[in-house]
Amino acid sequence: DTGVSQDPRHKITKRGQNVTFRCDPISEHNRLYWYRQTLGQGPEFLTYFQNEAQLEKSRLLSDRFSAERPKGSFSTLEIQRTEQGDSAMYLCASSSKSGTGEKDTEAFFGQGTRLTVV
Amino acid sequence: AQSVTQLGSHVSVSEGALVLLRCNYSSSVPPYLFWYVQYPNQGLQLLLKYTSAATLVKGINGFEAEFKKSETSFHLTKPSAHMSDAAEYFCAVNSWNDMRFGAGTRLTVKP
Repeated sequence: DTGVSQDPRHKITKRGQNVTFRCDPISEHNRLYWYRQTLGQGPEFLTYFQNEAQLEKSRLLSDRFSAERPKGSFSTLEIQRTEQGDSAMYLCASSSKSGTGEKDTEAFFGQGTRLTVV
Repeated sequence: AQSVTQLGSHVSVSEGALVLLRCNYSSSVPPYLFWYVQYPNQGLQLLLKYTSAATLVKGINGFEAEFKKSETSFHLTKPSAHMSDAAEYFCAVNSWNDMRFGAGTRLTVKP
């Protein structure tokens, strides 16, 4: 397994267009996270999945954003009607629960998708 | 609720000097704590983690961190900075089901 992969690495789009990003997690990981990172900031939590269930969504995730993980494996993040403020690095991470506990032992990150809205 | 505060958005040290990056957390339950490093145009890489075992945790590249419950802190240290340590460092907390990050500290190492 080569780790978490994200596609594309870079995306330039015109304002108002829709974009979709894909994340392939480490195969045995049941948790998958999406974060957004802007310049000079830490990763901001957007949403996470446990298997195919989306368990939490940040208030940052407006109704223009939607994420899916249909079979509990790869995930997609779609942004509709993109705005210039959506320009950021979108990071995906995966993890597994620590035994019988609820906490993650660590999250493994992909290289991210850098979105530029012009 | 859980949160992380990193004191100092920029830290500059001379090569060979002590590195100290500060992290304080807030959590209603015993947390797991992490330090990640990010090099330009790359994803985040785990440096070290605290998962309720030893309070002094050693990580990669000579870094270590100490969990202090009384101070709700998890500061990152390295005895002697190297030029290759220049990067962005993020502290993260995992209390319930998801992981939250601090705003990051950019470490600059001067020759």
